[in-house]
Amino acid sequence: EPEVTQTPSHQVTQMGQEVILRCVPISNHLYFYWYRQILGQKVEFLVSFYNNEISEKSEIFDDQFSVERPDGSNFTLKIRSTKLEDSAMYFCASTPGQRGEAFFGQGTRLTVV
Amino acid sequence: SQQGEEDPQALSIQEGENATMNCSYKTSINNLQWYRQNSGRGLVHLILIRSNEREKHSGRLRVTLDTSKKSSSLLITASRAADTASYFCATVMDTGRRALTFGSGTRLQVQP
Repeated sequence: EPEVTQTPSHQVTQMGQEVILRCVPISNHLYFYWYRQILGQKVEFLVSFYNNEISEKSEIFDDQFSVERPDGSNFTLKIRSTKLEDSAMYFCASTPGQRGEAFFGQGTRLTVV
Repeated sequence: SQQGEEDPQALSIQEGENATMNCSYKTSINNLQWYRQNSGRGLVHLILIRSNEREKHSGRLRVTLDTSKKSSSLLITASRAADTASYFCATVMDTGRRALTFGSGTRLQVQP
């Protein structure tokens, strides 16, 4: 069964450092998303990506964040200068079309120290 | 205002019992989805119900949607210890944002 894969599963970084979280969405899906979940809190939408550009973003997704689809398979989230409050589980998801069932990866746990 | 709030926040039942979780939301929706999350792991899609549907079944899962009350319920029948997880409802708006807006979840503990 096709699945969304994310790497790494866990990343520890120092405050102020740049991190890149990687995702391989399901190959025939068209919409890609990043969500995050701070420990004990709800899952929050960050950004969606369609047709090689950002289609929506939340107020959380400020200038410190960027997304890229550098080739036909990878989808990355970059945080330029990490803050302590960026510590969270980051989930990548993809959907075959708009407003449908989302397939989530297992997440990357980011710890900023 | 919060979109997608579940109650109860936590539920503990015995194996074999039914578990019911409720979700309320505030805006007009295109669909409502339920997801399951095992501790520290990814979200698994359970069921999607569209705004023009009232009830949907999938195996031991039954979801209802009442758009007049802006609420949904997830019923898990004959629960098993393996059903222990957090359950989230997530809405997709009819206009505007197409991404999921999640509720705060219900932590279900099924005692063997």
